[in-house]
Amino acid sequence: AQSVAQPEDQVNVAEGNPLTVKCTYSVSGNPYLFWYVQYPNRGLQFLLKYITGDNLVKGSYGFEAEFNKSQTSFHLKKPSALVSDSALYFCAVSPSGGSYIPTFGRGTSLIVHP
Amino acid sequence: EAQVTQNPRYLITVTGKKLTVTCSQNMNHEYMSWYRQDPGLGLRQIYYSMNVEVTDKGDVPEGYKVSRKEKRNFPLILESPSPNQTSLYFCASSLRGQSDTQYFGPGTRLTVL
Repeated sequence: AQSVAQPEDQVNVAEGNPLTVKCTYSVSGNPYLFWYVQYPNRGLQFLLKYITGDNLVKGSYGFEAEFNKSQTSFHLKKPSALVSDSALYFCAVSPSGGSYIPTFGRGTSLIVHP
Repeated sequence: EAQVTQNPRYLITVTGKKLTVTCSQNMNHEYMSWYRQDPGLGLRQIYYSMNVEVTDKGDVPEGYKVSRKEKRNFPLILESPSPNQTSLYFCASSLRGQSDTQYFGPGTRLTVL
């Protein structure tokens, strides 16, 4: 069975500092990996995904994520945090191919302090 | 504007009173699904549909029904709601299926008393 772990319920960072939101996964075969963001009272919005190819994936709003197969990780990063980045972030994994139900992590609340 | 819409956005009801939450997408996506979001549990899939008249159970289907009579619509039906179905519900759609990017609706906050 596949699983996703987001080990931090909350990440605090000062505006202008780099941020990292961690995600590790377990899946059979090659993974499809996703990051979504949820702002208050809104649905989830797609940020970026890894399917294959370059391990560094660039997404919306200046975010990027690095796929590390040996560490089974897909951490979300941004070089310089903004207060407006404060939101709930979800990592998700799905095995490549087939009709497998995606598994979402529990979410990490990112708080960027002015 | 490409979007997934849900109605109602907020609903308070009582145990046993049948309700339907509607979901519609205008992107001509074949795949649609329903999730519930609970604190500390993330998102869990309730049901999904690969196409018209094709539906299947997700991870937590008990107490829910769905139908897919039209490509754009995927209503979620609670025939006899119970308090443990109090949750935040999201509809999602994607072009190519479970492994593709999901587009989410704004959510429906349901309270069952």
